[in-house]
Amino acid sequence: KNQVEQSPQSLIILEGKNCTLQCNYTVSPFSNLRWYKQDTGRGPVSLTIMTFSENTKSNGRYTATLDADTKQSSLHITASQLSDSASYICVVSPSGGSYIPTFGRGTSLIVHP
Amino acid sequence: NAGVMQNPRHLVRRRGQEARLRCSPMKGHSHVYWYRQLPEEGLKFMVYLQKENIIDESGMPKERFSAEFPKEGPSILRIQQVVRGDSAAYFCASSSDYEQYFGPGTRLTVT
Repeated sequence: KNQVEQSPQSLIILEGKNCTLQCNYTVSPFSNLRWYKQDTGRGPVSLTIMTFSENTKSNGRYTATLDADTKQSSLHITASQLSDSASYICVVSPSGGSYIPTFGRGTSLIVHP
Repeated sequence: NAGVMQNPRHLVRRRGQEARLRCSPMKGHSHVYWYRQLPEEGLKFMVYLQKENIIDESGMPKERFSAEFPKEGPSILRIQQVVRGDSAAYFCASSSDYEQYFGPGTRLTVT
Protein backbone atom coordinates (compact mmCIF):
# COMPACT_ATOMS: atom_id res chain seq x y z
CA LYS A 1 0.00 0.00 0.00
CA ASN A 2 1.33 3.44 -0.97
CA GLN A 3 1.98 5.59 2.06
CA VAL A 4 3.51 8.96 2.83
CA GLU A 5 4.55 9.70 6.40
CA GLN A 6 5.53 13.15 7.56
CA SER A 7 7.29 14.30 10.69
CA PRO A 8 7.03 16.10 12.93
CA GLN A 9 3.27 16.43 13.06
CA SER A 10 3.64 19.96 14.34
CA LEU A 11 6.49 22.36 14.94
CA ILE A 12 6.82 25.72 16.66
CA ILE A 13 9.83 27.92 15.96
CA LEU A 14 10.86 31.53 16.46
CA GLU A 15 10.94 33.95 13.59
CA GLY A 16 14.31 33.98 11.87
CA LYS A 17 15.17 30.39 12.76
CA ASN A 18 15.64 27.53 10.30
CA CYS A 19 13.71 24.26 10.34
CA THR A 20 13.57 20.97 8.48
CA LEU A 21 10.51 18.87 7.77
CA GLN A 22 10.71 15.18 6.90
CA CYS A 23 8.82 12.94 4.51
CA ASN A 24 9.17 9.17 4.11
CA TYR A 25 7.25 7.30 1.44
CA THR A 26 6.62 3.81 0.18
CA VAL A 27 5.11 4.77 -3.20
CA SER A 28 6.49 2.58 -5.95
CA PRO A 29 7.22 2.88 -8.78
CA PHE A 30 8.08 6.49 -8.18
CA SER A 31 7.41 9.39 -10.53
CA ASN A 32 7.73 12.63 -8.61
CA LEU A 33 7.57 14.19 -5.17
CA ARG A 34 6.05 17.56 -4.44
CA TRP A 35 5.96 19.80 -1.41
CA TYR A 36 2.93 22.02 -0.96
CA LYS A 37 2.20 24.84 1.44
CA GLN A 38 -1.38 25.09 2.65
CA ASP A 39 -2.46 28.18 4.53
CA THR A 40 -5.45 27.82 6.82
CA GLY A 41 -8.65 27.92 4.82
CA ARG A 42 -6.92 27.82 1.45
CA GLY A 43 -5.92 25.28 -1.15
CA PRO A 44 -2.39 23.83 -1.32
CA VAL A 45 0.19 25.78 -3.29
CA SER A 46 3.13 24.01 -4.89
CA LEU A 47 6.59 24.84 -3.54
CA THR A 48 8.84 22.31 -5.27
CA ILE A 49 8.59 19.27 -7.49
CA MET A 50 11.33 16.68 -7.94
CA THR A 51 11.63 13.70 -10.20
CA PHE A 52 13.72 10.58 -9.67
CA SER A 53 16.92 12.09 -11.04
CA GLU A 54 16.82 15.25 -8.92
CA ASN A 55 18.13 15.32 -5.37
CA THR A 56 17.66 18.97 -4.50
CA LYS A 57 15.41 21.80 -5.57
CA SER A 58 15.19 25.33 -4.21
CA ASN A 59 12.44 27.92 -4.26
CA GLY A 60 13.56 31.03 -2.43
CA ARG A 61 13.98 30.20 1.24
CA TYR A 62 12.61 26.69 0.67
CA THR A 63 14.99 23.86 -0.26
CA ALA A 64 13.76 20.32 -0.82
CA THR A 65 15.98 17.26 -0.96
CA LEU A 66 15.20 13.80 -2.24
CA ASP A 67 16.91 10.46 -1.64
CA ALA A 68 15.15 8.05 -3.94
CA ASP A 69 17.17 5.11 -2.62
CA THR A 70 15.97 5.51 0.96
CA LYS A 71 12.65 7.00 -0.15
CA GLN A 72 13.10 10.09 1.97
CA SER A 73 12.65 13.79 1.35
CA SER A 74 13.13 16.87 3.46
CA LEU A 75 12.00 20.48 3.20
CA HIS A 76 14.34 23.02 4.73
CA ILE A 77 13.06 26.50 5.50
CA THR A 78 15.68 29.18 6.02
CA ALA A 79 15.25 32.36 8.05
CA SER A 80 11.61 31.66 8.83
CA GLN A 81 9.00 34.41 8.62
CA LEU A 82 5.62 34.74 10.28
CA SER A 83 3.99 34.09 6.92
CA ASP A 84 5.59 30.64 6.83
CA SER A 85 3.03 29.52 9.42
CA ALA A 86 1.05 26.92 7.50
CA SER A 87 0.71 23.20 6.87
CA TYR A 88 3.40 21.68 4.64
CA ILE A 89 2.29 18.66 2.68
CA CYS A 90 4.43 16.05 0.98
CA VAL A 91 2.82 14.43 -2.07
CA VAL A 92 4.23 11.46 -3.97
CA SER A 93 3.00 10.34 -7.37
CA PRO A 94 3.56 6.92 -8.90
CA SER A 95 4.61 6.14 -12.42
CA GLY A 96 3.60 3.30 -14.69
CA GLY A 97 0.14 4.37 -15.66
CA SER A 98 -1.29 5.40 -12.31
CA TYR A 99 -1.52 9.12 -11.70
CA ILE A 100 -3.19 9.11 -8.33
CA PRO A 101 -0.91 10.92 -5.87
CA THR A 102 -0.59 9.96 -2.22
CA PHE A 103 -0.70 12.83 0.25
CA GLY A 104 0.96 13.01 3.63
CA ARG A 105 -1.01 14.41 6.54
CA GLY A 106 1.21 17.44 6.64
CA THR A 107 3.40 19.18 9.19
CA SER A 108 1.79 22.13 10.90
CA LEU A 109 4.39 24.88 11.29
CA ILE A 110 3.85 27.85 13.59
CA VAL A 111 6.35 30.69 13.51
CA HIS A 112 6.28 32.96 16.57
CA PRO A 113 7.65 36.51 16.63
CA ASN B 1 -4.64 33.74 -16.19
CA ALA B 2 -7.12 33.08 -13.42
CA GLY B 3 -6.41 30.18 -11.13
CA VAL B 4 -8.67 27.29 -10.31
CA MET B 5 -12.05 28.59 -9.17
CA GLN B 6 -14.36 26.79 -6.79
CA ASN B 7 -17.78 27.79 -5.60
CA PRO B 8 -19.36 28.10 -3.27
CA ARG B 9 -16.55 28.58 -0.77
CA HIS B 10 -18.82 27.57 2.08
CA LEU B 11 -21.92 25.42 1.87
CA VAL B 12 -24.29 24.44 4.64
CA ARG B 13 -26.75 21.64 4.08
CA ARG B 14 -29.16 19.77 6.33
CA ARG B 15 -29.02 16.02 6.45
CA GLY B 16 -30.78 14.52 3.45
CA GLN B 17 -30.28 17.50 1.15
CA GLU B 18 -28.13 17.59 -1.96
CA ALA B 19 -24.82 19.41 -2.25
CA ARG B 20 -23.40 20.61 -5.55
CA LEU B 21 -19.81 21.78 -5.67
CA ARG B 22 -18.38 23.50 -8.73
CA CYS B 23 -14.87 23.70 -10.06
CA SER B 24 -13.65 25.75 -13.00
CA PRO B 25 -10.16 24.63 -14.05
CA MET B 26 -7.37 26.93 -15.15
CA LYS B 27 -7.61 28.05 -18.75
CA GLY B 28 -6.21 25.41 -21.03
CA HIS B 29 -6.41 22.61 -18.46
CA SER B 30 -8.48 19.59 -19.42
CA HIS B 31 -7.79 17.42 -16.37
CA VAL B 32 -9.70 17.84 -13.12
CA TYR B 33 -9.17 16.03 -9.83
CA TRP B 34 -11.40 16.14 -6.76
CA TYR B 35 -10.07 15.58 -3.24
CA ARG B 36 -11.63 15.51 0.21
CA GLN B 37 -9.91 16.72 3.34
CA LEU B 38 -11.27 15.80 6.74
CA PRO B 39 -10.13 17.74 9.82
CA GLU B 40 -6.61 16.71 10.88
CA GLU B 41 -6.39 14.40 7.84
CA GLY B 42 -4.48 14.52 4.58
CA LEU B 43 -6.18 15.07 1.27
CA LYS B 44 -7.76 11.94 -0.14
CA PHE B 45 -8.21 11.38 -3.86
CA MET B 46 -11.80 10.99 -5.01
CA VAL B 47 -12.05 11.19 -8.78
CA TYR B 48 -10.10 12.14 -11.89
CA LEU B 49 -11.93 13.49 -14.92
CA GLN B 50 -11.18 14.76 -18.35
CA LYS B 51 -13.69 16.55 -20.54
CA GLU B 52 -16.83 14.36 -20.72
CA ASN B 53 -14.97 11.37 -19.29
CA ILE B 54 -14.45 9.88 -15.86
CA ILE B 55 -10.95 8.45 -15.93
CA ASP B 56 -10.71 7.11 -12.39
CA GLU B 57 -13.31 7.21 -9.65
CA SER B 58 -11.70 4.69 -7.35
CA GLY B 59 -11.73 7.14 -4.44
CA MET B 60 -15.41 7.96 -4.67
CA PRO B 61 -17.89 6.40 -2.25
CA LYS B 62 -20.04 3.93 -4.15
CA GLU B 63 -23.31 5.62 -3.26
CA ARG B 64 -24.58 9.20 -3.17
CA PHE B 65 -21.47 10.71 -4.80
CA SER B 66 -21.10 11.53 -8.48
CA ALA B 67 -18.93 13.79 -10.59
CA GLU B 68 -18.99 15.16 -14.08
CA PHE B 69 -16.90 17.41 -16.29
CA PRO B 70 -19.05 18.42 -19.25
CA LYS B 71 -17.81 19.71 -22.56
CA GLU B 72 -18.90 23.19 -21.56
CA GLY B 73 -18.95 24.57 -18.04
CA PRO B 74 -17.40 23.65 -14.73
CA SER B 75 -16.82 20.27 -13.20
CA ILE B 76 -19.51 19.33 -10.69
CA LEU B 77 -19.17 17.14 -7.62
CA ARG B 78 -22.63 16.12 -6.47
CA ILE B 79 -23.45 14.60 -3.10
CA GLN B 80 -26.98 13.35 -2.65
CA GLN B 81 -28.72 12.87 0.69
CA VAL B 82 -25.82 14.32 2.65
CA VAL B 83 -24.95 12.96 6.08
CA ARG B 84 -22.91 14.54 8.89
CA GLY B 85 -19.87 12.49 7.88
CA ASP B 86 -19.78 14.32 4.55
CA SER B 87 -18.72 17.51 6.34
CA ALA B 88 -15.27 18.28 5.01
CA ALA B 89 -13.28 20.54 2.73
CA TYR B 90 -13.50 19.53 -0.91
CA PHE B 91 -10.69 20.64 -3.17
CA CYS B 92 -10.40 20.40 -6.89
CA ALA B 93 -7.17 20.62 -8.84
CA SER B 94 -6.57 21.02 -12.53
CA SER B 95 -3.58 20.14 -14.64
CA SER B 96 -2.31 20.01 -18.18
CA ASP B 97 0.59 17.72 -17.24
CA TYR B 98 1.71 16.24 -13.91
CA GLU B 99 1.67 19.58 -12.06
CA GLN B 100 -1.63 20.08 -10.26
CA TYR B 101 -2.98 23.49 -9.30
CA PHE B 102 -5.49 23.59 -6.48
CA GLY B 103 -8.54 25.70 -5.99
CA PRO B 104 -9.41 27.36 -2.65
CA GLY B 105 -11.80 24.58 -1.70
CA THR B 106 -15.45 24.34 -0.69
CA ARG B 107 -16.15 23.78 2.97
CA LEU B 108 -19.26 21.67 3.34
CA THR B 109 -21.02 21.60 6.69
CA VAL B 110 -23.89 19.20 7.20
CA THR B 111 -26.17 20.07 10.09
